[in-house]
Amino acid sequence: GENVEQHPSTLSVQEGDSAVIKCTYSDSASNYFPWYKQELGKRPQLIIDIRSNVGEKKDQRIAVTLNKTAKHFSLHITETQPEDSAVYFCAASGSYQLTFGKGTKLSVIP
Amino acid sequence: DTGVSQNPRHKITKRGQNVTFRCDPISEHNRLYWYRQTLGQGPEFLTYFQNEAQLEKSRLLSDRFSAERPKGSFSTLEIQRTEQGDSAMYLCASSLGDGQSYEQYFGPGTRLTVT
Repeated sequence: GENVEQHPSTLSVQEGDSAVIKCTYSDSASNYFPWYKQELGKRPQLIIDIRSNVGEKKDQRIAVTLNKTAKHFSLHITETQPEDSAVYFCAASGSYQLTFGKGTKLSVIP
Repeated sequence: DTGVSQNPRHKITKRGQNVTFRCDPISEHNRLYWYRQTLGQGPEFLTYFQNEAQLEKSRLLSDRFSAERPKGSFSTLEIQRTEQGDSAMYLCASSLGDGQSYEQYFGPGTRLTVT
């Protein structure tokens, strides 16, 4: 089955700096890669996603890049703000089920 | 609120008891998924429904677990003879399932504590 590795597990950045979270996947059949943000005690919230026929997607301060050959994808957050502090999960899917990474706890220091 | 809803939000039960959780998906979504999340981990897939048909079950779903979606709308997840290892957040998600939309939207979860 699919295996998703996510790094780093924790990340601290100063407010205004950029944050990058990286994930690798194992199944070349995976074709959909969403990112979720989960605040403490709340539901995972879909923040951006990318399909395998696209190399990069951007939505305001967040962007995702995908390298199918290397089987890795990354989340980039620019101009970080304290409200970006949360746990971020990457996931990969080939059909229906999502396989998640273990998460990255992002702390944005004011 | 037109998002995915789950009830109850919290459940405390004693080992050996049965529990049932309910999920109401977004109304036009015909795919419904159950995941389990333990502390410090990402959600793990349990099972999924296309309308009322249960199409896939993870090996994580032991014989003590059963899920239904009788009319293709809400779903229930039952755990029989609960064990302490069942303590987790049980998340439900739904998606459109039109073959073009892949986005899964999660409910707030039911936190189960088995004492």
